[in-house]
Amino acid sequence: SAVISQKPSRDICQRGTSLTIQCQVDSQVTMMFWYRQQPGQSLTLIATANQGSEATYESGFVIDKFPISRPNLTFSTLTVSNMSPEDSSIYLCSVAAAKGSGYTFGSGTRLTVV
Amino acid sequence: EDKVVQSPLSLVVHEGDTVTLNCSYEVTNFRSLLWYKQEKKAPTFLFMLTSSGIEKKSGRLSSILDKKELFSILNITATQTGDSAVYLCAVEGVGAQKLVFGQGTRLTINP
Repeated sequence: SAVISQKPSRDICQRGTSLTIQCQVDSQVTMMFWYRQQPGQSLTLIATANQGSEATYESGFVIDKFPISRPNLTFSTLTVSNMSPEDSSIYLCSVAAAKGSGYTFGSGTRLTVV
Repeated sequence: EDKVVQSPLSLVVHEGDTVTLNCSYEVTNFRSLLWYKQEKKAPTFLFMLTSSGIEKKSGRLSSILDKKELFSILNITATQTGDSAVYLCAVEGVGAQKLVFGQGTRLTINP
């Protein structure tokens, strides 16, 4: 099954700034998924990133706020732009695992905006 | 819109007890239901269920799916303090290639 390295593990950021989160996969994958988990809530899909095309965003999420790059089949970044305290969450990337094993998640980024 | 509801939202038991976690769902063109354990940040995969009535088992954990009644249960027997975590249920629709998660059940095992 794919192994994902995600960084940073955590960060504390000032409001109005931006943070870029990186995910590196140890194998080539077609799709990468970015999720957000707000405090006490479950995971919500932000967008799906395909290599060579623009990311597909879920309802309530926009490219200007969460720009995504997918330069190749093993790497993706998610930027949280112009941050506010409401953006304080855990951000997770994910890829499809081996058949029958669902999806694998990165180790997560815990973001606190002050 | 696809929807997943888990119950209970929180559960506190003593070590050695058996627990049953519930997950009901509504999804267009069901493909699979997945269970994850989340201790810190990253959910770790437990089970993927696609067929009704077939129990999946891993050690003290087991799960089964009822596609007619649109629910699944996750059982944990002889619970240990290391089982304390949030357990997440998610569904995937055919062609969707994305997961819709429930709110999770926070399980606390007291020694």
